[in-house]
Amino acid sequence: AQTVTQSQPEMSVQEAETVTLSCTYDTSENNYYLFWYKQPPSRQMILVIRQEAYKQQNATENRFSVNFQKAAKSFSLKISDSQLGDTAMYFCAFMKHGSGGSNYKLTFGKGTLLTVNP
Amino acid sequence: DTGVSQDPRHKITKRGQNVTFRCDPISEHNRLYWYRQTLGQGPEFLTYFQNEAQLEKSRLLSDRFSAERPKGSFSTLEIQRTEQGDSAMYLCASSFPYGRTDTGELFFGEGSRLTVL
Repeated sequence: AQTVTQSQPEMSVQEAETVTLSCTYDTSENNYYLFWYKQPPSRQMILVIRQEAYKQQNATENRFSVNFQKAAKSFSLKISDSQLGDTAMYFCAFMKHGSGGSNYKLTFGKGTLLTVNP
Repeated sequence: DTGVSQDPRHKITKRGQNVTFRCDPISEHNRLYWYRQTLGQGPEFLTYFQNEAQLEKSRLLSDRFSAERPKGSFSTLEIQRTEQGDSAMYLCASSFPYGRTDTGELFFGEGSRLTVL
């Protein structure tokens, strides 16, 4: 079974600064996706960024980027130029993929509550 | 496309009563998932469907829980004889549009919050 660990229950950052959220995972699989999802207060969860394990290049989406270290099983999220709207719970998640019924489900970490201060 | 919708958004019930939640996924998605989220925790997988077939159920899904997706479109999650420990947010998600590349991304609804008194 896969596990996802987020060791920072809460973090805060000043508006316009950079913050990095940590995530480690454990798996024996070789073919998988990693994701960061954002859950704003009382709103639905949305995808921030995804990484395919076979790609060595780190994914980026505008102000969001990841540092994917496959050997270390580490997948951190960097948010640059933080904005007040980035305040949310952030979840790291793992999905193995390929044929078979046990694939394609997300395993989540416990989340990191990020507060962006004005 | 209006996204994943869930109904009701909030449900308060007394212990021992039955409750049913409905999820309407994004219309072209063939996978549908149910997750449970308690306060301050990440979502925990309950079950998922590919079309109308229920492909996996978590051990969290006790005998009191049942999920269906009869025509491969909407889904229902029923909890019988509710207990206080069932109080949680029940999230539905869908993924994998027919005929397109599977990116693995799940699209979530806003959830159905259950409070068992």
